[in-house]
Amino acid sequence: DTGVSQNPRHKITKRGQNVTFRCDPISEHNRLYWYRQTLGQGPEFLTYFQNEAQLEKSRLLSDRFSAERPKGSFSTLEIQRTEQGDSAMYLCASSLGTSGGAFYEQYFGPGTRLTVT
Amino acid sequence: GDSVTQMEGPVTLSEEAFLTINCTYTATGYPSLFWYVQYPGEGLQLLLKATKADDKGSNKGFEATYRKETTSFHLEKGSVQVSDSAVYFCAWTLYGGATNKLIFGTGTLLAVQP
Repeated sequence: DTGVSQNPRHKITKRGQNVTFRCDPISEHNRLYWYRQTLGQGPEFLTYFQNEAQLEKSRLLSDRFSAERPKGSFSTLEIQRTEQGDSAMYLCASSLGTSGGAFYEQYFGPGTRLTVT
Repeated sequence: GDSVTQMEGPVTLSEEAFLTINCTYTATGYPSLFWYVQYPGEGLQLLLKATKADDKGSNKGFEATYRKETTSFHLEKGSVQVSDSAVYFCAWTLYGGATNKLIFGTGTLLAVQP
C-alpha cells in the first residue's frame, strides 16, 4: 500500500461551477478526515467519517459542501456553486481507530489544490 | 477557544545551527500534542508526539517536551541540516476523544542554508 491518495491534485474552476474531489485512504483504515488549508494557515478540520458514517461536521462546512464515504472505502468531497473563498488545499487523512480510546496516527494525502477564478 | 499559537516564520538558519520553534496551545480537556512536517511537494507527516505532561517526543534529532504548566510544546533540534527545510505545524487532539480531529497552528517555515 502506498498511502493516502487524492485526485485530482490540482483543479481550476470558474466561480459557480461544481467540483468533486476523491480520497482513497489506506485500505485497512476505518477513519477518514477532510481538512482545508488556506495559504499561510494550518489545516482546519472539515468533517470525519468512521466507516461509512459521517459523525462530525465543522461549522466551516457550509450547505454547499457535501461529503460521502460509500461502503466505508473511498470518500468524495463536493463543493457546489464554488466561490473564490473556496480556493484552498483540501487534505484527506485516514487512520485506524474505534470510538473513543487511544489516538491513532493520521496519515495525510498530498492534497487537492482548488483555484476558483 | 481551542487553538494553537506558533512562532511566525520564516526561520532562516545556517546548517548546524540550533533550532527552536515555539508552540503554545489552548485546549479544553487534556490534549495529546504533535509536531507535523510538510516537505516541499509532499503531504503532512507526523514528526513526533507526546501524550501526557512531561513526556518528551523525539524523532530524527528533533525533540519537544509537553509542558502542561506553561501549555507549551516547543520544537528543538541541536544541529539542523539543509534537508530539514520544510514547514512545521504544531497540533493537538483530545486523547480518547470521539473523533481525534487535529487542531493545527499556522505553521512555521524553516529554511536552512548551506
